This record gives sequence, structure tokens and C-alpha cells, in this order.
Amino acid sequence: KAGVTQTPRYLIKTRGQQVTLSCSPISGHRSVSWYQQTPGQGLQFLFEYFSETQRNKGNFPGRFSGRQFSNSRSEMNVSTLELGDSALYLCASSLEGSGRNTIYFGEGSWLTVV
Amino acid sequence: KNQVEQSPQSLIILEGKNCTLQCNYTVSPFSNLRWYKQDTGRGPVSLTIMTFSENTKSNGRYTATLDADTKQSSLHITASQLSDSASYICVVSGGPNFGNEKLTFGTGTRLTIIP
Repeated sequence: KAGVTQTPRYLIKTRGQQVTLSCSPISGHRSVSWYQQTPGQGLQFLFEYFSETQRNKGNFPGRFSGRQFSNSRSEMNVSTLELGDSALYLCASSLEGSGRNTIYFGEGSWLTVV
Repeated sequence: KNQVEQSPQSLIILEGKNCTLQCNYTVSPFSNLRWYKQDTGRGPVSLTIMTFSENTKSNGRYTATLDADTKQSSLHITASQLSDSASYICVVSGGPNFGNEKLTFGTGTRLTIIP
């Protein structure tokens, strides 16, 4: 069974640009959650989607947004990029929700903002 | 405020030795506690998940314990191998609403195994 797939794996953007990251969950999983990981802050929760609806949201500015499609695939977008947005962005999927079930992470998308 | 604290921050041990990592949490109400292993530059991989009623759970050479009364958990690694070098992250699920629990992440313990 295929795992969580994230694309792209690596990308470099300049300040002010916007970026879209994609995540394909494990087949049958309806919940997708997104996390930002930086060396100093550890894993920070961005948001979680379940059946195309945002279920929970972390404490990030409105520049960070996401959506989920009917096939459970998800995208997150960051607009007006700042240097501090450089991080590893991880997507995770679970059967019914991150709080109740084991979440399975993808390999992440490394974003560098210059 | 829900918090998860892990200790030590980093640990270096010789190959073949055992070690124990600690996790203390203040998440309430509590739903479950997970341990993840994250190799450098990779996504975290689940090791164990324990609910309130589980005191111990093993996954190969990894054994996690949970004391829900004192809100403490430990991850014991037996006969360490070079491949155990990684960050180990404690994650606690809980509050505020049943069915809509949230995850609180620890900052991890960086374990290095030396030959």
C-alpha cells in the first residue's frame, strides 16, 4: 500500500512569491493534516482537513491556507513568502482524524525562501 | 496550556547499549500518546500509540511505557544499533472536545549511536 506522497520534494522561492505544496494521502484515509518543522520550533500544526472541510487550524497567519479535494488529496498554499517560512513542510494522513488515529507522515517538502 | 516536554534534548551512546528517553505532558483531557522516530531529512515514522489503559507497548527493540497518573512516558531502546540514530518525538493527543482531539508535539530527543 502506497504511503503519503508529497510534491515537490525540494523547492527554492524568493521573498514575496507564493508556493503550493501537494499531498496525496494513503488510500482510504480521509484526514490530512499539515505541519511546519524548523530546527528551533520543532513540529508546528498548520491545519487539518477531513472530507474537504477544515477541521482544525493552528496559530499561523492567513498567508497559510489549504484545501482538500473530493479524492482526499490536499494542497497547502503560502502567499507573500517570507524568509522565516523556510522549513520542512510535512503532510500526514489518518483514517478518521489525527487526534484519534495514528498519523502517517510523508517525506516532506523542503522550502527555502531566499 | 497543553505542553509536552522531552528529556534529554540530546543523547550519545555506544552501539549495543540501552537507553531511555523521557516525556512529560500536561495535556488534558488525555486521549493517547505516541512516539515517533524521525531520521534526518525524512518524515517521522510511528513507533507506538498508547491509550489511557495501556501501561506498556513494544515494537521490536523499542518499548514505550505510560503512567497516566503522573503524566509521564518513556521510550526504552534495547541493544542500540547505528540505525537508531534519529530524533524521537513524543506526541500527545487530547482536549478539548471528544472526537476532535488535538496533537501536542514535544521538541524531540536527538539520539546519536556511535560505534
